[in-house]
Amino acid sequence: AQSVTQPDIHITVSEGASLELRCNYSYGATPYLFWYVQSPGQGLQLLLKYFSGDTLVQGIKGFEAEFKRSQSSFNLRKPSVHWSDAAEYFCAVGASDYKLSFGAGTTVTVRA
Amino acid sequence: ETGVTQSPTHLIKTRGQQVTLRCSSQSGHNTVSWYQQALGQGPQFIFQYYREEENGRGNFPPRFSGLQFPNYSSELNVNALELDDSALYLCASSDSGQGWGNTEAFFGQGTRLTVV
Repeated sequence: AQSVTQPDIHITVSEGASLELRCNYSYGATPYLFWYVQSPGQGLQLLLKYFSGDTLVQGIKGFEAEFKRSQSSFNLRKPSVHWSDAAEYFCAVGASDYKLSFGAGTTVTVRA
Repeated sequence: ETGVTQSPTHLIKTRGQQVTLRCSSQSGHNTVSWYQQALGQGPQFIFQYYREEENGRGNFPPRFSGLQFPNYSSELNVNALELDDSALYLCASSDSGQGWGNTEAFFGQGTRLTVV
């Protein structure tokens, strides 16, 4: 069975500073990995996904993530955070049967 | 903005009652999945429907049931509501024939269910 761990429950970052959110996964086959963002009271929006090829993937809103098979990690990064990036971020692994397993999420607070 | 719509957006029910939540999937998508997101947690997989058949179920009791219709819209039914059923219920649609590399799960805005 697949699982996802997001070690950081809450991160506070200054506007304009860089951001990195950690994600570790457990899956027996080639993982399909996703990062979603959820604003308060909203559904989930896909930021980016990895399924094969280049281990550095680019997403929307200036986010990128790097897949490291040796570390079972898929960390999300953004070079310069904007106040609108304050939200909850979820890492997920997708099985071949199209079910997603999510981590518990990381809440990002952006201070001025 | 995705084409997945859920109704209602908010709902308050009493313990022991039954509730039906609805989801209209994105055009062309044949798979609908339902997730429960308790406060402060990540979404948990409830079950999935593919072409009107249940196609996998998470660790939820039988009082959670569902339907998928020929137009691929879906319902989630919960009987004998308990206080712990209070959560955001998310519906996601995808096109299972395309593979994860060529599709994604599009989520609706969710239904906030409060059981009192």
